[in-house]
Amino acid sequence: EVQLVESGGGLVQPGGSLKLSCAASGFSFSGSDMHWVRQASGKGLEWVGRIRSKANSYATVYAASVQGRFTISRDDSKNTAYLQMNSLKTEDTAVYYCTRLGWLQYFDLWGRGTLVTVSS
Amino acid sequence: EIVLTQSPATLSLSPGERATLSCRASQSVSSYLAWYQQKPGQAPRLLIYDASNRATDIPARFSGSGSGTDFTLTISSLEPEDFAVYYCQQRSSWLTFGGGTKVEIK
Repeated sequence: EVQLVESGGGLVQPGGSLKLSCAASGFSFSGSDMHWVRQASGKGLEWVGRIRSKANSYATVYAASVQGRFTISRDDSKNTAYLQMNSLKTEDTAVYYCTRLGWLQYFDLWGRGTLVTVSS
Repeated sequence: EIVLTQSPATLSLSPGERATLSCRASQSVSSYLAWYQQKPGQAPRLLIYDASNRATDIPARFSGSGSGTDFTLTISSLEPEDFAVYYCQQRSSWLTFGGGTKVEIK
């Protein structure tokens, strides 16, 4: 089955760290660009960042709101992408989705999301 | 950053009615625009790509149009499962999403 499954969400205090995982199956993960998108409760979608495939040097880019605090990585041997979040702020509270940029250059596969709550 | 403005914020319609959703870009995105549908508790689903092309398995009642800065998603006859939130997204310059339009049952 073609799917993405996020994990690692939870409650963390402001200033803390958390690492999310996105396990892929059923497609060529190593050849895919992977993105993270978040959604605060009752709000819209916000693009967080992406990592390209090995063929594109695993290049990463981030939204200004998370630049310098978040790091995206991947392990193609495990078909898994990661989102390392440091110096977390209350405004980072959201459901975090892992998503694949398909050959159409749009997000054609999404995980179910994992909830991150930043609160004291 | 290209800002996408969706209107209206909420659309109250009855099943069988026609829904017309708008997405306006702060600068031209050519045809590099997609529409997604999101139901409560679910991830978004790609409906339309490159402004007017239906994604795989998307019913023909969904159609997209527009180019440049003005885009429209039309649902020709609302089915019960179509009541959801719809987002536009551009890929012309980085990636941004619109704020969403909620289609609710009247």
